[in-house]
Amino acid sequence: QKEVEQDPGPLSVPEGAIVSLNCTYSNSVFQYFMWYRQYSRKGPELLMYTYSSGNKEDGRFTAQVDKSSKYISLFIRDSQPSDSATYLCAMSATTGKLIFGQGTTLQVKP
Amino acid sequence: DGGITQSPKYLFRKEGQNVTLSCEQNLNHDAMYWYRQDPGQGLRLIYYSQIVNDFQKGDIAEGYSVSREKKESFPLTVTSAQKNPTAFYLCASSISPGLAGVDTGELFFGEGSRLTVL
Repeated sequence: QKEVEQDPGPLSVPEGAIVSLNCTYSNSVFQYFMWYRQYSRKGPELLMYTYSSGNKEDGRFTAQVDKSSKYISLFIRDSQPSDSATYLCAMSATTGKLIFGQGTTLQVKP
Repeated sequence: DGGITQSPKYLFRKEGQNVTLSCEQNLNHDAMYWYRQDPGQGLRLIYYSQIVNDFQKGDIAEGYSVSREKKESFPLTVTSAQKNPTAFYLCASSISPGLAGVDTGELFFGEGSRLTVL
């Protein structure tokens, strides 16, 4: 079993839809949780960063962490075609080694 | 503009040949990393360096080698010993010497190099 599990998709939604992307993990020591966005043939870029449990909002994006369930989510409101990309969750413990999920490919259709 | 430059973008190699991927950063970051990305497997850490003249193996270092002679440069050599080298290779850097730049949570990535072995 992988330390971090993420459904690779692809996920296809119409423009304006609410998108929910999720990751589960098995190691309870993880404290830092991140979401990276990767456009085709590009390097990933940090989208959201959360420490420990709770929610964090940034514009149309909301990151949620539920440490009791070992589950993290990224919600995208009013999705746009420009949101079409691969979304990678990543997490680390205090020692800092970053573990990535497999990535979910999202397509937002106009 | 500050950033990470990887070259070449695309590279073809015959079996049995070594190939070196270049990674240069002008962000003045201490730590640099090499990841490999394969479909359905996410990013896997090959090597990382927290300071000049020092580097450590990541999870899949076999068949790869690196050097860190300058702060801004961290080239990766894919040797003929690497059994399945066809992949997308990503170089990254972080501000702090911590392995993942945990203080900020941010790795800065280059645009990647796609290596294909013929």
